[in-house]
Amino acid sequence: SQKIEQNSEALNIQEGKTATLTCNYTNYSPAYLQWYRQDPGRGPVFLLLIRENEKEKRKERLKVTFDTTLKQSLFHITASQPADSATYLCALDGNTGFQKLVFGTGTRLLVSP
Amino acid sequence: DAGVIQSPRHEVTEMGQEVTLRCKPISGHNSLFWYRQTMMRGLELLIYFNNNVPIDDSGMPEDRFSAKMPNASFSTLKIQPSEPRDSAVYFCATATTRGAYEQYFGPGTRLTVT
Repeated sequence: SQKIEQNSEALNIQEGKTATLTCNYTNYSPAYLQWYRQDPGRGPVFLLLIRENEKEKRKERLKVTFDTTLKQSLFHITASQPADSATYLCALDGNTGFQKLVFGTGTRLLVSP
Repeated sequence: DAGVIQSPRHEVTEMGQEVTLRCKPISGHNSLFWYRQTMMRGLELLIYFNNNVPIDDSGMPEDRFSAKMPNASFSTLKIQPSEPRDSAVYFCATATTRGAYEQYFGPGTRLTVT
């Protein structure tokens, strides 16, 4: 069956460290993968998109990698800050030719001062 | 731009009542998505419109749920009759069909069915 797995346990790190979140998928062949941030009581906010032919994408303190052989994406936040505390969702397209996204359940990140 | 607008933000209703959720997409976005989010199941796509036409409604849980998009500026998600298991946060998201396909989410409607 098709699955997208993110660590359901919260990730606790200290301010200034690098946070690394994992997204694994099975039985999908996505053309692209996206990462979103969600704060309590709010809708998800788009952060980054990486295509199947890209190995790495960066935006300021954020870095995403995409390994289609391992069927895995890693999301890194360098020099993390308490304001980075949120739930991070990965989403991939079902490769249906449409814009339909399938979301993982998210990983909660807590950055302590 | 005001972003995606959803109303109401909170809805409390009794089992059996009809519930209508509303969404105004970002101007110029021609794809619209309705999602439901719960702790148990996460964020699930219910239905997806492109240019006001329903493209994929395979996520609509049952016939009690219906969605319409009469024009490019408005969409509704209706539940009739509502049941306690429909309690969730319902999000509307929109996107363009050009560029990177990122989706822009509204603030959501928290629905509680008692």
